[in-house]
Amino acid sequence: AQTVTQSQPEMSVQEAETVTLSCTYDTSESDYYLFWYKQPPSRQMILVIRQEAYKQQNATENRFSVNFQKAAKSFSLKISDSQLGDAAMYFCAYRSAFSRTSYGKLTFGQGTILTVHP
Amino acid sequence: ETGVTQSPTHLIKTRGQQVTLRCSSQSGHNTVSWYQQALGQGPQFIFQYYREEENGRGNFPPRFSGLQFPNYSSELNVNALELDDSALYLCASSSGGSSYNSPLHFGNGTRLTVT
Repeated sequence: AQTVTQSQPEMSVQEAETVTLSCTYDTSESDYYLFWYKQPPSRQMILVIRQEAYKQQNATENRFSVNFQKAAKSFSLKISDSQLGDAAMYFCAYRSAFSRTSYGKLTFGQGTILTVHP
Repeated sequence: ETGVTQSPTHLIKTRGQQVTLRCSSQSGHNTVSWYQQALGQGPQFIFQYYREEENGRGNFPPRFSGLQFPNYSSELNVNALELDDSALYLCASSSGGSSYNSPLHFGNGTRLTVT
């Protein structure tokens, strides 16, 4: 079974600064997808960024980028130029790429609460 | 494009009762999955439905059951409610049948409180 670990329960950053959230995972599979989701107080889980394991290039989405280290099974999220609206709970998640039963199954980490100070 | 909608928003039930939560998937999505999120924790996968059939299940007892309808909307049913069932229940949909890489789109969840 796959596991996802987020070792930072809470992180804080000053507005306009950069912060990195950590995530490690354990799997015996060679092909999979990794995701970062953001969950603000509104409760809706919002996709921030995704990475396909077979792609070596790190994904980027505007101010959000990842550092994907497949051999180390590490998938960190970097938020540049942090904004007050970035404050939320952030979840790292894993999805297998092999079977139809994996379409809707994400394995989530425990989450990291990000606080952004003005 | 209509997103994923869930109803009700909040619900209070008594231990031993039964509850039904509802989810309308995003237009064009044929896969629906349900998650339980305890306070301060990450979501836990309950099960998923693809074209009206359950085809994946997490570590939840049989009293958690579901349905998917021809329009791909879905229900989550929980029987014999226990206090530990108090949680946020999230529904997510994807176009899994057409793309392995289709991301999940989540609803705002139903907050269930069992007293």
